[in-house]
Amino acid sequence: DVKVTQSSRYLVKRTGEKVFLECVQDMDHENMFWYRQDPGLGLRLIYFSYDVKMKEKGDIPEGYSVSREKKERFSLILESASTNQTSMYLCASSSLTGGYYGYTFGSGTRLTVV
Amino acid sequence: QKEVEQNSGPLSVPEGAIASLNCTYSDRVSQSFFWYRQYSGKSPELIMSIYSNGDKEDGRFTAQLNKASQYVSLLIRDSQPSDSATYLCAVNMSPGGTSYGKLTFGQGTILTVHP
Repeated sequence: DVKVTQSSRYLVKRTGEKVFLECVQDMDHENMFWYRQDPGLGLRLIYFSYDVKMKEKGDIPEGYSVSREKKERFSLILESASTNQTSMYLCASSSLTGGYYGYTFGSGTRLTVV
Repeated sequence: QKEVEQNSGPLSVPEGAIASLNCTYSDRVSQSFFWYRQYSGKSPELIMSIYSNGDKEDGRFTAQLNKASQYVSLLIRDSQPSDSATYLCAVNMSPGGTSYGKLTFGQGTILTVHP
């Protein structure tokens, strides 16, 4: 069964800490995405990557960075965590199939910054 | 104006009824449209995709697309309490090589099916 795996289900971090969220997919997908989901705001795209070492900013990249050193792994980095980054973080991957892209989501990481 | 809009609900329907979920989008060149279901505390799961005008049926689910009106909907027939979830509409807003399949999501509609 194909999977997108996020390393942590729940995380609690302190303000100012550097936080790493890891995402691994086993589907050989080219594209990987990081979203955050907040009540009333829906899913908002933080960053995405379309190839190893390639990345593009999404709609809300401030305070975040990403790393994609290998095709299967896409990491989201909070350089200095703040309380307004408390959220559910969702990783997804996609590939072009039949002319269209489909997403597979990971199970999510609920991050609390205190 | 939001790029993908949904009525946030909550939408409440009795068991066995038809639930109708609606979504509008702003980008006329959008080509692919998706409906995701998300249970509380879980990640979204794909239930329907549609690319051409008209209806697409899969079991109890029917997706309807009208590109001229920039409108996509999801009908759930014979609604069950297990259908109670948040339904997310997603659109590939800029199709082609530079979009890399990036999806824009609506805020989601909360559906409650009561016995």
